Amino acid sequence: QKEVEQDPGPLSVPEGAIVSLNCTYSNSAFQYFMWYRQYSRKGPELLMYTYSSGNKEDGRFTAQVDKSSKYISLFIRDSQPSDSATYLCAMSATNAGKSTFGDGTTLTVKP
Amino acid sequence: KAGVTQTPRYLIKTRGQQVTLSCSPISGHRSVSWYQQTPGQGLQFLFEYFSETQRNKGNFPGRFSGRQFSNSRSEMNVSTLELGDSALYLCASSSWGGPDEKLFFGSGTQLSVL
Repeated sequence: QKEVEQDPGPLSVPEGAIVSLNCTYSNSAFQYFMWYRQYSRKGPELLMYTYSSGNKEDGRFTAQVDKSSKYISLFIRDSQPSDSATYLCAMSATNAGKSTFGDGTTLTVKP
Repeated sequence: KAGVTQTPRYLIKTRGQQVTLSCSPISGHRSVSWYQQTPGQGLQFLFEYFSETQRNKGNFPGRFSGRQFSNSRSEMNVSTLELGDSALYLCASSSWGGPDEKLFFGSGTQLSVL
């Protein structure tokens, strides 16, 4: 069983929809939780970073971490076609360089 | 400020050969990590280097190795290539690899093993 499980998708939504992306994990040592966005033929780009439990908002993006349930989510409001990409959750215990990634969810936002 | 640069962008090799991939981190960054990305296994951590020393290692066989130079540039080597080594190899850098640091990824090297 993988340490990080991500809802596989793919996900297809109309423009303007609210998108929910989710991951669960099993390693209690994880303290740092990240969401990356990856466009085709590009490396991942950090979207959101959260330490421990709680919510963090940045524009249309909201990251939630529930350590008691070992569950993290990324919400995208008013989704745009430019949000079409693969979204990867990632977690680390003590070192950002050694992060554990989910397999990714591919999102398509249709105009 | 230039981003993380990986060369070459694409590579085709045959089974049994060896390959060396290169990564130049963002100027001033001293931590370099390598990841393997495949459709079946996702992004998997290979190893991390900091100040020319391997600081962390993932669960890959000894055929996968790396090194870091004094200017923080890093190389990874795969010997005796297998078909299953076909993947996108990604390099990421950060200032010192601290827990709350942002990782910056390169665009990767797409390796195909025939």
